[in-house]
Amino acid sequence: ETGVTQSPTHLIKTRGQQVTLRCSSQSGHNTVSWYQQALGQGPQFIFQYYREEENGRGNFPPRFSGLQFPNYSSELNVNALELDDSALYLCASSLREAGAQYFGPGTRLLVL
Amino acid sequence: DQQVKQNSPSLSVQEGRISILNCDYTNSMFDYFLWYKKYPAEGPTFLISISSIKDKNEDGRFTVFLNKSAKHLSLHIVPSQPGDSAVYFCAASFNSGTYKYIFGTGTRLKVLA
Repeated sequence: ETGVTQSPTHLIKTRGQQVTLRCSSQSGHNTVSWYQQALGQGPQFIFQYYREEENGRGNFPPRFSGLQFPNYSSELNVNALELDDSALYLCASSLREAGAQYFGPGTRLLVL
Repeated sequence: DQQVKQNSPSLSVQEGRISILNCDYTNSMFDYFLWYKKYPAEGPTFLISISSIKDKNEDGRFTVFLNKSAKHLSLHIVPSQPGDSAVYFCAASFNSGTYKYIFGTGTRLKVLA
């Protein structure tokens, strides 16, 4: 059984640029959620995808967008990067009807 | 508005003793609670969960207790081992059509050998 994988592991961008982060869900899972974890904080919910559609969103602006593909993998896109976007971005997969979400190792984004 | 709070940023415990990590929440609609453990440079690892219809759930050395009237849950680790040293997050959710988790800020546990 393959766990949740994310790419890249680290990324450095400059303010105003755009970034795409990728996530492969655990085998058999049909739901992907994205979280942002700032230093010293707990993960904060960005949005969730189920059956290729957004299924819930946290308090993040529209420049945070995503996609889910037929194989349940997912992308997180962030446009017009700001310094405060520097954080660890976590992807988690789950079965929609079940509770536990299983996290990938994260992508650490630094915006200069 | 921090709906899930972990008021102790850190905790040190001797190996073999009990570790008790606490978590408080404010939203009475939460009906599912989880604990995650996080090592540096890794994503959170699911430990144990509890539904609001229960007040206790046990899995090996880990037990979670839920006190709904106090809106409080705790994680007990017995006996504590040095490998348990990590940051522990509690999370809560309710079914609003989206299973999103609200996380606390974490407690760093250090188990001393």
